[in-house]
Amino acid sequence: GQQVMQIPQYQHVQEGEDFTTYCNSSTTLSNIQWYKQRPGGHPVFLIQLVKSGEVKKQKRLTFQFGEAKKNSSLHITATQTTDVGTYFCAGKSRVTNAGKSTFGDGTTLTVKP
Amino acid sequence: KAGVTQTPRYLIKTRGQQVTLSCSPISGHRSVSWYQQTPGQGLQFLFEYFSETQRNKGNFPGRFSGRQFSNSRSEMNVSTLELGDSALYLCASRGGTGDGNTIYFGEGSWLTVV
Repeated sequence: GQQVMQIPQYQHVQEGEDFTTYCNSSTTLSNIQWYKQRPGGHPVFLIQLVKSGEVKKQKRLTFQFGEAKKNSSLHITATQTTDVGTYFCAGKSRVTNAGKSTFGDGTTLTVKP
Repeated sequence: KAGVTQTPRYLIKTRGQQVTLSCSPISGHRSVSWYQQTPGQGLQFLFEYFSETQRNKGNFPGRFSGRQFSNSRSEMNVSTLELGDSALYLCASRGGTGDGNTIYFGEGSWLTVV
């Protein structure tokens, strides 16, 4: 079945440093979504990418979808303590019916002030 | 509009007991999915319901079951609880292509099995 892998599993940065998490799918995706889960909270939708090579920005966050639609990345510029949490990607396979998305295991970001 | 509502938020059960968790999706959403999240683990997909039918199922034993009602509310049940079932159980509703297939999560039900 479809597998979605995220790296790294953990990332610890100094406040102000940049951060990137990568998401790789074993199958071609129709779309990919990114979620953020704060400690003790629930995952919250950040963004969806649909087009090959798509790049979207949300303030300091930059999301990319690979040309082959099998990988994606989330880059945070100049991290802040408010960025702390676990970032999940979720990919919907082009060949999977019924719309099921597969989540990666997440990247947990900690930021040292 | 109101978000995804899960009840109860916290509960403690004893090994061997059973538990039922409830989820009310966002109004108008017909798809409800359940996930298990344990410390250090990602989101493990349990099952998805759409219009009262189970559409997808993850790799969990038969002790885990669910159902969806005509008003789209969903319940999941875990029988013969084991210590390893202690986890955060998340319900998510999805509106469909008109909403970009965005998944909206509830705050979850924290289950502790002792």
